[in-house]
Amino acid sequence: RKEVEQDPGPFNVPEGATVAFNCTYSNSASQSFFWYRQDCRKEPKLLMSVYSSGNEDGRFTAQLNRASQYISLLIRDSKLSDSATYLCAVNRATGRRALTFGSGTRLQVQP
Amino acid sequence: NAGVTQTPKFQVLKTGQSMTLQCAQDMNHEYMSWYRQDPGMGLRLIHYSVGAGITDQGEVPNGYNVSRSTTEDFPLRLLSAAPSQTSVYFCASSYGGGEAEAFFGQGTRLTVV
Repeated sequence: RKEVEQDPGPFNVPEGATVAFNCTYSNSASQSFFWYRQDCRKEPKLLMSVYSSGNEDGRFTAQLNRASQYISLLIRDSKLSDSATYLCAVNRATGRRALTFGSGTRLQVQP
Repeated sequence: NAGVTQTPKFQVLKTGQSMTLQCAQDMNHEYMSWYRQDPGMGLRLIHYSVGAGITDQGEVPNGYNVSRSTTEDFPLRLLSAAPSQTSVYFCASSYGGGEAEAFFGQGTRLTVV
């Protein structure tokens, strides 16, 4: 089983739709959680960190469920420019001091 | 504001050749790492470093070497290239070992024939 798993999609949604992605992680010692965005043939860039109490940044909301070991990303009022691959990333509190990434979920927003 | 700089951007190698992928950052970050990205596999950690002189293996280290003689540079060496190493390679740096935002270079697209 992969340490971090995501539905690869693609999620095809119309402009203005609300879409949600989930990401599950297997290592209960994980302590930091992130969502990265990756455009086609580009490097990943941080979209937002995920905090225990949940956090919001404009149209984007991230949630963490430690009991079920998953994080989620909600995008409201989707724009064409949201089309990208969304990668979740987690890190462990001990051991390997680098991020572990999921394989990404592709979002295609259509006009 | 260079951030993380990777060279080269593209490279074609023959099986058995060796080469070094360069990575440099100007943000004075202690933590640096190398990932490879293959279709459907996401980013997989090859090697990482928590500071100058300190490196460790990641998830897929075989066939790769790294060194960290300075804070700024973290080169990745392919010892004897194999077609299975055809991939996109990303270098990343951060001021925290996974606790903070990772900044990525633009990637190196490597093809081994």
